[in-house]
Amino acid sequence: NAGVTQTPKFQVLKTGQSMTLQCAQDMNHEYMSWYRQDPGMGLRLIHYSVGAGITDQGEVPNGYNVSRSTTEDFPLRLLSAAPSQTSVYFCASSPPAGSNYGYTFGSGTRLTVV
Amino acid sequence: AQKITQTQPGMFVQEKEAVTLDCTYDTSDQSYGLFWYKQPSSGEMIFLIYQGSYDEQNATEGRYSLNFQKARKSANLVISASQLGDSAMYFCAMREGPPRGYNKLIFGAGTRLAVHP
Repeated sequence: NAGVTQTPKFQVLKTGQSMTLQCAQDMNHEYMSWYRQDPGMGLRLIHYSVGAGITDQGEVPNGYNVSRSTTEDFPLRLLSAAPSQTSVYFCASSPPAGSNYGYTFGSGTRLTVV
Repeated sequence: AQKITQTQPGMFVQEKEAVTLDCTYDTSDQSYGLFWYKQPSSGEMIFLIYQGSYDEQNATEGRYSLNFQKARKSANLVISASQLGDSAMYFCAMREGPPRGYNKLIFGAGTRLAVHP
């Protein structure tokens, strides 16, 4: 089925470990974003990309890196995991300006840092 | 800076009745889009409805309608004939117009809706 695929669905890390959350979409969307969801705070934008080779920071970028080498993939890297990064992470994609339908979200990755 | 405010942390409604979830926003842009998403207990984000800032008519999608009052900067979601399956978290979100903010979807804190039989 077409959509946004995130892996893994669950992950436990030790403080200081690094890892990459994977995100892939097959809708040929130019725009992709990473969000984190914490209780009572809604979703906050971490990083986003408007196309291959172009990325920018969102509201809460510290501790995360991204790259966009292809239209389809937008991985999120945690450089040195901290307990404050325990959260649910969502990847989303959207076609460019002019669309009037919502972003398509992946099913999320629940990350726990101990 | 753009901001979304949802002042109702929790709401409940009787099955088959209508309910309004409040959302106010703040932006200096003339061009922007407003979205509502549903997040059931399973966790996925489900797009419900969209309203563009230049749309003259309120958006509707089945049992969902968006009460858009531009001068008051409000974009309330109305769910008619509530069903038990409507019990979920609901998020209001805004995207400013291109080119600067287009890819930035900013969310409110959400409203948890409980539908009682």
